[in-house]
Amino acid sequence: DTEVTQTPKHLVMGMTNKKSLKCEQHMGHRAMYWYKQKAKKPPELMFVYSYEKLSINESVPSRFSPECPNSSLLNLHLHALQPEDSALYLCASSQDLGGGRASYNEQFFGPGTRLTVL
Amino acid sequence: AQTVTQSQPEMSVQEAETVTLSCTYDTSESDYYLFWYKQPPSRQMILVIRQEAYKQQNATENRFSVNFQKAAKSFSLKISDSQLGDAAMYFCAYRSSAGSARQLTFGSGTQLTVLP
Repeated sequence: DTEVTQTPKHLVMGMTNKKSLKCEQHMGHRAMYWYKQKAKKPPELMFVYSYEKLSINESVPSRFSPECPNSSLLNLHLHALQPEDSALYLCASSQDLGGGRASYNEQFFGPGTRLTVL
Repeated sequence: AQTVTQSQPEMSVQEAETVTLSCTYDTSESDYYLFWYKQPPSRQMILVIRQEAYKQQNATENRFSVNFQKAAKSFSLKISDSQLGDAAMYFCAYRSSAGSARQLTFGSGTQLTVLP
């Protein structure tokens, strides 16, 4: 299995709703990532989990709350979002052998969740 | 901090022809990795090709090849025999090999159109 899956594919929510995005991989990767991507722009890193611990939080507002229940799963909990949070949310995973020359450590991306906040 | 620059926001190519997408980067490191990702309208980012900085040989994957010029900090992507399915946004990305670095630094992207 060499893919990253994300659910749902599309999500429409109001500013008072609480929802969650889910990401799953079964490649044995130990690093998982959340990105936000606006149209025709590169992905912007939000969070990085390494060995199920949060290692990077790129100053993301607290209305986004990540969770890594186990090494295969990554969630992004959403609460009180703003219309400007509407975007494509991408999940990715990589082997994470600790950097160095051990590995390309390339990231494999999921198909994304298209989020619209009304 | 590293930066990646893609100076061509849009490019077009005739089907079966060859096109080259440019990417330059700025870094003070000597060891790093470079990647080209493709993002078609279906949205999924797909790795096209990768290059290690300490390998002088240019990477090749079927119709895709790179021209890696380390001294010039240039990493261009050549697509030969272009096909309609090559139409996508292409992102160049950099990853440091230092420590536990995991972050990718992306360029702004080049939108490639393939004309029938």
